[in-house]
Amino acid sequence: GAVVSQHPSRVICKSGTSVKIECRSLDFQATTMFWYRQFPKQSLMLMATSNEGSKATYEQGVEKDKFLINHASLTLSTLTVTSAHPEDSSFYICSAISGTVSTDTQYFGPGTRLTVL
Amino acid sequence: AQSVTQLDSQVPVFEEAPVELRCNYSSSVSVYLFWYVQYPNQGLQLLLKYLSGSTLVKGINGFEAEFNKSQTSFHLRKPSVHISDTAEYFCAVSAGYSGNTPLVFGKGTRLSVIA
Repeated sequence: GAVVSQHPSRVICKSGTSVKIECRSLDFQATTMFWYRQFPKQSLMLMATSNEGSKATYEQGVEKDKFLINHASLTLSTLTVTSAHPEDSSFYICSAISGTVSTDTQYFGPGTRLTVL
Repeated sequence: AQSVTQLDSQVPVFEEAPVELRCNYSSSVSVYLFWYVQYPNQGLQLLLKYLSGSTLVKGINGFEAEFNKSQTSFHLRKPSVHISDTAEYFCAVSAGYSGNTPLVFGKGTRLSVIA
């Protein structure tokens, strides 16, 4: 149990376009989802915390108008990178917490590699 | 605020040798501690976690870690490594549990197992 999927796994886009990344909890309801960003050979940096039905809470330095997060249901959160630029190229990873499976552990998706040309 | 220091960025070790990956944390409150493994181009997989109770925690793939409150450490160990253990390992901490508590990660340790 506690599987989290992300789609797409890899995306390449032109500068100036927008890209949507989906994060789904497949077999549990996720009351909270987190979005992380990982640069090559570096650690994960928290971007935002997303709670179903409410606005996401962004970490300092993360532009909320550029990284749009929507947590519309208990099994789906989306991250939209608007007007992407090459510096947005990164590995984006989501995680989810279940209120029933294990309330103390985050389950991570496999990540989405975004490359902006 | 919490912080995590992984003292070694890279650890090479021969196959079947023991390994210890070091992790120290700082926090002004009680913490929960985690070790995650990341294989190339993949997400993170939970190896083990410490929430409370016994300070020696056993996880998957033969790994274990010991919580040492006085030394604020949570080092990861395995008595005999395999080639398949080659990966990036992240230590993480959360400040006690609430459903909305994010993780703070260390910078990671790359374990390279040599045949």
